[in-house]
Amino acid sequence: DAKTTQPNSMESNEEEPVHLPCNHSTISGTDYIHWYRQLPSQGPEYVIHGLTSNVNNRMASLAIAEDRKSSTLILHRATLRDAAVYYCILRDAGNMLTFGGGTRLMVKP
Amino acid sequence: NAGVTQTPKFRVLKTGQSMTLLCAQDMNHEYMYWYRQDPGMGLRLIHYSVGEGTTAKGEVPDGYNVSRLKKQNFLLGLESAAPSQTSVYFCASTLWAGGYTEAFFGQGTRLTVV
Repeated sequence: DAKTTQPNSMESNEEEPVHLPCNHSTISGTDYIHWYRQLPSQGPEYVIHGLTSNVNNRMASLAIAEDRKSSTLILHRATLRDAAVYYCILRDAGNMLTFGGGTRLMVKP
Repeated sequence: NAGVTQTPKFRVLKTGQSMTLLCAQDMNHEYMYWYRQDPGMGLRLIHYSVGEGTTAKGEVPDGYNVSRLKKQNFLLGLESAAPSQTSVYFCASTLWAGGYTEAFFGQGTRLTVV
């Protein structure tokens, strides 16, 4: 599986936008970019995914670089409930779903 | 619609005891996964299944066995528990393996081996 690189931690102020980066320089043409988040003491939950174009949903936006070697998860207005570990994962048609270390997002009131 | 349900939520075992963790999904998903998460770490894949009656090893399979006798259930067994298996265990399922499919996770089983 192709690897992703994320900062270990980031801080944000409440009600401000947050940009969480992910580098995936070895991404293949068939890899989808997925983001999951894990709230304290809970299982991971799906946030968003995309292939080539930018994507928006009710939780977040995903901006994908033109060369697809990096992507950014955008939370438009961070709330205290968004404090979590955010995982960037590459998925292709293979069977495994592999997690890296993720980014711990801390939101300050 | 319950999604992915894990049983039990908490368990304390003595070294050498055995136990089975149950994962059940009601979404008719083909693929199911078992992960472990140690404190401050990401999730590591133990075993996975691509359909009823099939299983395969993940990154850290030693000391665990799995079975998928029914499509909706994926069982994780510890034959002789060791303190190194103290962890939080998560189950997940996806409809297919395709990159466009999202994964659904259970709430976890916190296992302590003393």
